[in-house]
Amino acid sequence: QLQLQESGPGLVKPSETLSLTCTVSGGSISSGTHYWDWIRQPPGKGLEWMGSIYYSGTTYYNPSLESRLTISVDTSKNQFSLKLSSVTAADAAVYFCARHILKGISRYSWIDPWGQGTLVIVSS
Amino acid sequence: DIQMTQSPSSLSASVGDRVTISCRSSQSISNYLNWYQHKPGKAPKLLIYAASSLQSGVPSRFSGSGSGTDFTLTISSLQPEDFATYYCQQSYSTPYTFGQGTKLEIK
Repeated sequence: QLQLQESGPGLVKPSETLSLTCTVSGGSISSGTHYWDWIRQPPGKGLEWMGSIYYSGTTYYNPSLESRLTISVDTSKNQFSLKLSSVTAADAAVYFCARHILKGISRYSWIDPWGQGTLVIVSS
Repeated sequence: DIQMTQSPSSLSASVGDRVTISCRSSQSISNYLNWYQHKPGKAPKLLIYAASSLQSGVPSRFSGSGSGTDFTLTISSLQPEDFATYYCQQSYSTPYTFGQGTKLEIK
């Protein structure tokens, strides 16, 4: 059973870079039919898709974050990571990592499973 | 970006009730629509993909319907474990976007 676990600092100072890692267990991150996502949820707000990465390193970013966001993958460790630069209070959120399943030529896709999420606070 | 709008934002219901949650997209997304259940402190859980396909292991009291811009999640007979927040999500185009959520509470 595939499981994902987020890890990283729970407190980041304004203007600094937020860095998180997602460790995948129970399956290979190099599976050819999946992307790997970062999604966040600010307190009291809805879910925001941040971006996806394929095991080859191909990335797709939300344009609203693209200038500050870098997602990378380390297949040797079965991990993928997020770096968000120049954070502000608006970046405080629970950050989830997840598998994004693609279904062949139909292009249907869905997100499953998700990690439990990690809370990041932005404060000096 | 495709905007997803859910209604209602919150809903009070009793065990055994039939509940319907609506989701509308700002443009046609065919049936590229997924539904998730989220409980506080837990990982969100996929319920329905491609608008009407039930994810393996999800109870059959959950069902989804719709196409184009209007979609519905139905819970046929609420169980105590169903009280949670529900989100729709479009997978038609990036950036993938979610509805604002519908919080289902016990009456």
